[in-house]
Amino acid sequence: GAVVSQHPSWVICKSGTSVKIECRSLDFQATTMFWYRQFPKQSLMLMATSNEGSKATYEQGVEKDKFLINHASLTLSTLTVTSAHPEDSSFYICSARGKTSGTYNEQFFGPGTRLTVL
Amino acid sequence: DQQVKQNSPSLSVQEGRISILNCDYTNSMFDYFLWYKKYPAEGPTFLISISSIKDKNEDGRFTVFLNKSAKHLSLHIVPSQPGDSAVYFCAAASSNDYKLSFGAGTTVTVRA
Repeated sequence: GAVVSQHPSWVICKSGTSVKIECRSLDFQATTMFWYRQFPKQSLMLMATSNEGSKATYEQGVEKDKFLINHASLTLSTLTVTSAHPEDSSFYICSARGKTSGTYNEQFFGPGTRLTVL
Repeated sequence: DQQVKQNSPSLSVQEGRISILNCDYTNSMFDYFLWYKKYPAEGPTFLISISSIKDKNEDGRFTVFLNKSAKHLSLHIVPSQPGDSAVYFCAAASSNDYKLSFGAGTTVTVRA
């Protein structure tokens, strides 16, 4: 199957700093990437949908100025958590759909990034 | 508002027996359903899916059943193996977009 990577896997930062998380599709071109957030023992919550070359679409309740998403190329999307606070600590997961994807099961997930804000 | 619900947070089953995971949904626009398996600190991996035109889909040890009138689906794993121990997420989407709505997950433990 297609491979999606995320970097970093773990990040610990001080409150008030900004953190950038990268999501890359390694062997296919991803026209659409999704960013999810997962709290302990809870489901994955979709934060935003990002299409290459256009602005991201945010889900209700997600602050677009807080979570900046850039999908600059067909293989890379970035999520920047600006002025992070302890309540932003979570597990962030991206997924990617390919150019020829026709079915939902062709949404490949990255391994996730654990963010801890002190 | 949780549109996909997995009401059993955990399930323990003996190796070799059947694991049955349940999932309910509320949005009648959902017409495609998926099951994902997830290990700690990893992203979900796709297991099996079913569209609303079917009521059953089978792939090896995994079978998904869909009851549209009850807005209910289930995943059967038989026989269960120790490597099946993981968190299983039910997800749903409508053909209007590709957004997945996930349930809270069920942690399956297969006992040797």
